[in-house]
Amino acid sequence: DAKTTQPNSMESNEEEPVHLPCNHSTISGTDYIHWYRQLPSQGPEYVIHGLTSNVNNRMASLAIAEDRKSSTLILHRATLRDAAVYYCILRDEGETSGSRLTFGEGTQLTVNP
Amino acid sequence: DTGVSQDPRHKITKRGQNVTFRCDPISEHNRLYWYRQTLGQGPEFLTYFQNEAQLEKSRLLSDRFSAERPKGSFSTLEIQRTEQGDSAMYLCARTDRANTGELFFGEGSRLTVL
Repeated sequence: DAKTTQPNSMESNEEEPVHLPCNHSTISGTDYIHWYRQLPSQGPEYVIHGLTSNVNNRMASLAIAEDRKSSTLILHRATLRDAAVYYCILRDEGETSGSRLTFGEGTQLTVNP
Repeated sequence: DTGVSQDPRHKITKRGQNVTFRCDPISEHNRLYWYRQTLGQGPEFLTYFQNEAQLEKSRLLSDRFSAERPKGSFSTLEIQRTEQGDSAMYLCARTDRANTGELFFGEGSRLTVL
């Protein structure tokens, strides 16, 4: 599975935007970029995913570089509830892999009041 | 609510005992995954099912581990002769019926082996 590189930790202030970076220089053409987050004592929660174009949903935006070797998860206005570990994951959509997710260590986001 | 129930939420056992975890997804018509997560690490893939067929197993799944999904509905993960290294959170996840790419995780079953 292609690997991703994320900072171990980031801090933000409440109500400010947060840009969480992810590098994936070995991404292949069939890899989708997925983001999940995990709040304390809970299972991971889907945030957003994309292939080439930037994506927006009610939780966040995903900005994908033109060469697809990096992406950025954008939380437009951080809240205390957004404090979590954020995982950037490449998911092979090929049938043989079962489309499973391979998690790294993620970025621990701290949101200051 | 992610539509994935796991039971028990917590299990404390002595080394050498067998334990079984159960996962109930909301719908039969989807894939079901098992992951393991130790403190400070991301979840690690163990195995997955398409209906009742177990299609892939990680090398992490030693001979002491066995997973089943009879009738393609609920799934069980059994660990025989537990070791202290088995202490972890065991997470179950399902896809949605349309298999859009999103995984829905349960809250996990935390195992502590003394």
